[in-house]
Amino acid sequence: SQKIEQNSEALNIQEGKTATLTCNYTNYSPAYLQWYRQDPGRGPVFLLLIRENEKEKRKERLKVTFDTTLKQSLFHITASQPADSATYLCALSRAGYSSASKIIFGSGTRLSIRP
Amino acid sequence: EAQVTQNPRYLITVTGKKLTVTCSQNMNHEYMSWYRQDPGLGLRQIYYSMNVEVTDKGDVPEGYKVSRKEKRNFPLILESPSPNQTSLYFCASSFLSSGGYEQYFGPGTRLTVT
Repeated sequence: SQKIEQNSEALNIQEGKTATLTCNYTNYSPAYLQWYRQDPGRGPVFLLLIRENEKEKRKERLKVTFDTTLKQSLFHITASQPADSATYLCALSRAGYSSASKIIFGSGTRLSIRP
Repeated sequence: EAQVTQNPRYLITVTGKKLTVTCSQNMNHEYMSWYRQDPGLGLRQIYYSMNVEVTDKGDVPEGYKVSRKEKRNFPLILESPSPNQTSLYFCASSFLSSGGYEQYFGPGTRLTVT
């Protein structure tokens, strides 16, 4: 069955360092991969979407890579700040109106940035 | 303000008592979806709708019903709730796309079934 794994449940890093989160998938061929941020007690917030034919995408301090050969996406936050502490979720979907509508999420990585 | 609203935010009920969780969006989105979130399991899609009167099953539809009679509303119905449906529920909406969705999520509904 299709499976998404996010590298670890929790990741703790020092402020100012680059945080790198991993999303691996098996038995699935996604066309699109998304990253969301979720704060405790709140709904996820969309951050970035990357397509299978895009190797890398950036938005301010965020960078996402998508390697369909390795079946992996890496999510980087550079110059991390305590305010970046949250749970980060990856989500996959296929191409086409109907297929893109069926979305599967990873269980998330809880990121903590210590001052 | 663009938003997705859910009601109620918290609900404690008993096994077998029918309930409805409402979801409404004001962004004229075609696509709406319901998820449940459980510790260690992440978000799992229950049902989704690509437009009015068009709904389809996600990964965990058993025990749930939905309807989409109006574009802005997408209620989740539990005809006979059971304790294994105790969870945190999220509604989300987006413009319809063949190329991936930027979903807007509601604040969540925490449901406890005793």
